[in-house]
Amino acid sequence: EADIYQTPRYLVIGTGKKITLECSQTMGHDKMYWYQQDPGMELHLIHYSYGVNSTEKGDLSSESTVSRIRTEHFPLTLESARPSHTSQYLCASSSGSTYGYTFGSGTRLTVV
Amino acid sequence: KNEVEQSPQNLTAQEGEFITINCSYSVGISALHWLQQHPGGGIVSLFMLSSGKKKHGRLIATINIQEKHSSLHITASHPRDSAVYICAVSPTPYSGAGSYQLTFGKGTKLSVIP
Repeated sequence: EADIYQTPRYLVIGTGKKITLECSQTMGHDKMYWYQQDPGMELHLIHYSYGVNSTEKGDLSSESTVSRIRTEHFPLTLESARPSHTSQYLCASSSGSTYGYTFGSGTRLTVV
Repeated sequence: KNEVEQSPQNLTAQEGEFITINCSYSVGISALHWLQQHPGGGIVSLFMLSSGKKKHGRLIATINIQEKHSSLHITASHPRDSAVYICAVSPTPYSGAGSYQLTFGKGTKLSVIP
């Protein structure tokens, strides 16, 4: 079944640790996105990719980095986690502006 | 001013009531999306529409391109409909590097009481 998978679902980690949030999709979508969402707030785009080896920063400044070496995989990395990075991170994919988006279940990150 | 405005922000309804959530936008769009987010955090795409009306079960979405307005209706509401409903728009195509990104409203938190 075509879908988008995010792991881990929940993560509690200490300050200064390096973390990678995984996102994979099986639909062959060329466009993938990372959104950050604080509780009760709207989603903000932090990274996007329109294809392999193409990545751009979104509207919201983020200390995270992303890579797109394979079409189906779009991991997000924080080199040194801080409490200010505590948030929910949602991955999404699409095949174009007039086609539907598919969202992952999100990773709820807590940095202590 | 946010490019996508939703109303109301919060809505409490009795089970069985007919519910309407409104969305107004100020930019040219190629499509409008209605999304549902449950307390667990994951987002489900309910509708994508660029004209007219779509129906899926008890959910109906309409859009008026001239008035830049869309509505999401829920008939015979049920407690399991309790969630945050988010309106998002895809900008007009060929408008640059950001043309595939969504612009989101702040969401409408719906609570349906038994």
